[in-house]
Amino acid sequence: KNQVEQSPQSLIILEGKNCTLQCNYTVSPFSNLRWYKQDTGRGPVSLTIMTFSENTKSNGRYTATLDADTKQSSLHITASQLSDSASYICVVGDMKTSYDKVIFGPGTSLSVIP
Amino acid sequence: ETGVTQSPTHLIKTRGQQVTLRCSSQSGHNTVSWYQQALGQGPQFIFQYYREEENGRGNFPPRFSGLQFPNYSSELNVNALELDDSALYLCASSREGRGNEQFFGPGTRLTVL
Repeated sequence: KNQVEQSPQSLIILEGKNCTLQCNYTVSPFSNLRWYKQDTGRGPVSLTIMTFSENTKSNGRYTATLDADTKQSSLHITASQLSDSASYICVVGDMKTSYDKVIFGPGTSLSVIP
Repeated sequence: ETGVTQSPTHLIKTRGQQVTLRCSSQSGHNTVSWYQQALGQGPQFIFQYYREEENGRGNFPPRFSGLQFPNYSSELNVNALELDDSALYLCASSREGRGNEQFFGPGTRLTVL
């Protein structure tokens, strides 16, 4: 079983609409939770980083929430644009290791259509 | 652009061959992590280098090895290539310590025939 799971696997929305992506994790204890955007064939780019004590973090039209009690996070995208089409990956930092180990989820593939 | 560069961009090899991938870290970063990303999946951690030493390793066999140089650039070497090694290989650089943002390079697309 993956330690970081994401849903939905893929999503298609109309330009201008909002959407919410989900992340569930079992990593414990965890140091932080990050959301990355990855365009096809490119490296991931960081959107937000939250420590276990933070509930929400925004970056422009992207807002991430974190519930450490239920081990759930969401990424809300407002007023979607065609350039938002990408894979969105939830990443959790594992505190059990002596080094900064992070565990990636499988990603949600988002397609924004005109 | 993150300031992390990788070379080559694309590479085609045959089974049994060896390959070396290179990564230059962002200025001020002394930690480099390598990841393997198969098509349609999230990146899988291979190993991490800090101050020229491997300080963490994922579930990859010994034929995956690496180096980090005094300027903090890094190499990933894969021996005895297998078909399943075909993937996007990503490196990420960061400052030392837990929780610091990792900045990713554009990746090297390796195809093993």
